[in-house]
Amino acid sequence: EVQLVESGGGLLKPGGSLRLSCAASGFTFSNAWMSWVRQAPGKGLEWIGRIKTETDGGTTDYAAPVKGRFTISRDDSKNTLFLQMNSLKIEDTAVYYCTTVGVMGATYFDYWGQGTLVTVSS
Amino acid sequence: EIVMTQSPATLSVSPGERATLSCRASQSISSNLAWYQQKPGQAPRLLIYGASTRATGIPARFSGSGSGTEFTLTISSLQSEDFAVYYCQQFNDWPPRYTFGQGTKLEIK
Repeated sequence: EVQLVESGGGLLKPGGSLRLSCAASGFTFSNAWMSWVRQAPGKGLEWIGRIKTETDGGTTDYAAPVKGRFTISRDDSKNTLFLQMNSLKIEDTAVYYCTTVGVMGATYFDYWGQGTLVTVSS
Repeated sequence: EIVMTQSPATLSVSPGERATLSCRASQSISSNLAWYQQKPGQAPRLLIYGASTRATGIPARFSGSGSGTEFTLTISSLQSEDFAVYYCQQFNDWPPRYTFGQGTKLEIK
């Protein structure tokens, strides 16, 4: 059974930094493209970014609102995905979901974690 | 940037009836369209990808159709567990971007 478990969320002030983790199990993590998607309270879903497998170059892509502030990385030896968030803004307040990227063309997200809440407030 | 527009914002349907949800892309996205279901306090669940392929374990009463700019999610006979918010999502490959619609809330009539 695929499991994705996010951790690291919390309350912090604008301008702060935070690193989220996502522990993966039930599949071959090193073969999976991974992504982060967030959801502000009471709002819709917003893609943040993705990371390819090392075999596919390990490259990352980001949405415009977070590019230059957020960094996605992976540790295949520990089956863990990370999201480093810097220069946090109030509008970054959201539940952050870790997802796998679907293998059929990498156009969708097939498995989701339960999410971790990040609150940015002064 | 491709904008995804879902309609209606809220749909009221009785159990056992058919529900039809729409999603429109601001430009052609071929069949790069997925649908998700989200219940309160839960993570989204993938229902459909490639516009019409059901994800693993998704009941046959869920079906997707469309291509280009117009897409539809149909739930043929609503069960109590189907009342939720539904999101469509597109993928554009250059630059790589995934964009969600704003959601349709399916509520019990």
